[in-house]
Amino acid sequence: GAGVSQSPRYKVAKRGQDVALRCDPISGHVSLFWYQQALGQGPEFLTYFQNEAQLDKSGLPSDRFFAERPEGSVSTLKIQRTQQEDSAVYLCASSPFEGWSPLHFGNGTRLTVT
Amino acid sequence: TQLLEQSPQFLSIQEGENLTVYCNSSSVFSSLQWYRQEPGEGPVLLVTVVTGGEVKKLKRLTFQFGDARKDSSLHITAAQPGDTGLYLCAGAIQGGGKLIFGQGTELSVKP
Repeated sequence: GAGVSQSPRYKVAKRGQDVALRCDPISGHVSLFWYQQALGQGPEFLTYFQNEAQLDKSGLPSDRFFAERPEGSVSTLKIQRTQQEDSAVYLCASSPFEGWSPLHFGNGTRLTVT
Repeated sequence: TQLLEQSPQFLSIQEGENLTVYCNSSSVFSSLQWYRQEPGEGPVLLVTVVTGGEVKKLKRLTFQFGDARKDSSLHITAAQPGDTGLYLCAGAIQGGGKLIFGQGTELSVKP
């Protein structure tokens, strides 16, 4: 398919472990966003890339969160020393243009920290 | 601080009823989008409204953007069980690159 692909689909980590979440955007899409979504809530903005440049990381909750998109396509969200409050669904979205519209979302990675 | 407030947060209705979901803010948005999300999936775009006072219709769904571009509503006529899901409004702040989401309205339509 030609949609946004995220892996793994589910991740269980013990508290203190590092995790890496991958996003494959739609080919050719310029913009890439990461969002964090708690159960039954709306997505919360984490960070935004335009090609390989990280233009906004104001939503990253702490310095344990790090995102990269080195070649302007695939992106990785890394969480170091995971805590229970990091448990959430992490959504990736891409857009063919600069900025937000239209956003195409992946199905997310559900992270559970035990 | 929630920039976009949605109400109600939960709505359970019978098939055939009408409903309205509201999305309010004190901020002005350059545009506003509505998404629908089903369990285990990412949000899917329903509509984008960009002009104050704009009304868009999508079959049984009617979307309105407030004149001041601070609020929006989604009205569903004759709801069906297939309309069940989480409805999200999302606003783009003028000059900003990101989309801010409301907390969502969980809709359940019972047959």
